[in-house]
Amino acid sequence: EVQLLESGGNLVQPGGSLRLSCEASGFTFTNYGLSWVRQAPGKGLEWVSAMSGSGGVTHYADSVKGRFTFSRDNSKNTVYLQMSGLSPEDTALYYCAKATSYYGSGDDAFDIWGQGTMVVVSS
Amino acid sequence: QSVLTQPPSVSAAPGQTVTISCSGSSSNIGNNYVSWYQQVPGTAPKLLIYDNNKRPSGIPDRFSGSRSGTSATLGITGLQTGDEADYYCGTWESSLSAWVFGGGTRLTVL
Repeated sequence: EVQLLESGGNLVQPGGSLRLSCEASGFTFTNYGLSWVRQAPGKGLEWVSAMSGSGGVTHYADSVKGRFTFSRDNSKNTVYLQMSGLSPEDTALYYCAKATSYYGSGDDAFDIWGQGTMVVVSS
Repeated sequence: QSVLTQPPSVSAAPGQTVTISCSGSSSNIGNNYVSWYQQVPGTAPKLLIYDNNKRPSGIPDRFSGSRSGTSATLGITGLQTGDEADYYCGTWESSLSAWVFGGGTRLTVL
């Protein structure tokens, strides 16, 4: 079964840092792009960052550029989102989503989503 | 304010047909494939339509998608109470090298 399992969400103070993880199973990890998509409480979907299958191409939303870093460990079938300079506006449920192609950008879509991990930024 | 514009809500009776629009521009919908996602409250989004009008396996043919110019439409026929959910359109925004989603449409089956 194709599956994504996020972890690492927590309560963190403004200005703090946090690292989210997303472990993949059931598909050839390096063949597909992955993205992080977040959803603030009661709000819509907001894309955060995307990475190609090999990790060679990465994109970021303007709202997180310079603060968040997307990385992957192909030996562990896991991707990470390192978040720093967190603000209350970053409070959201963070989903990991699998793209239908290698690049995870352009003419693509997200066919598998994890259950999400909650990040709360508050003092 | 989302790059893609969707109506906040739509409603219809069981058995009827509903359409949800998604309006964009030449730098997103006009030149990239559109996908649609269903999100039942409290659960993760689920892919309904990809490449403008293709359905993943397991998605019933009551769900359909189309694209014309810089707009896309999701159609749902034979509405069921289980279709009550939030629906989002998404596509690639070429000018930003970023994914963009519509603000979401809440479907109520009366």
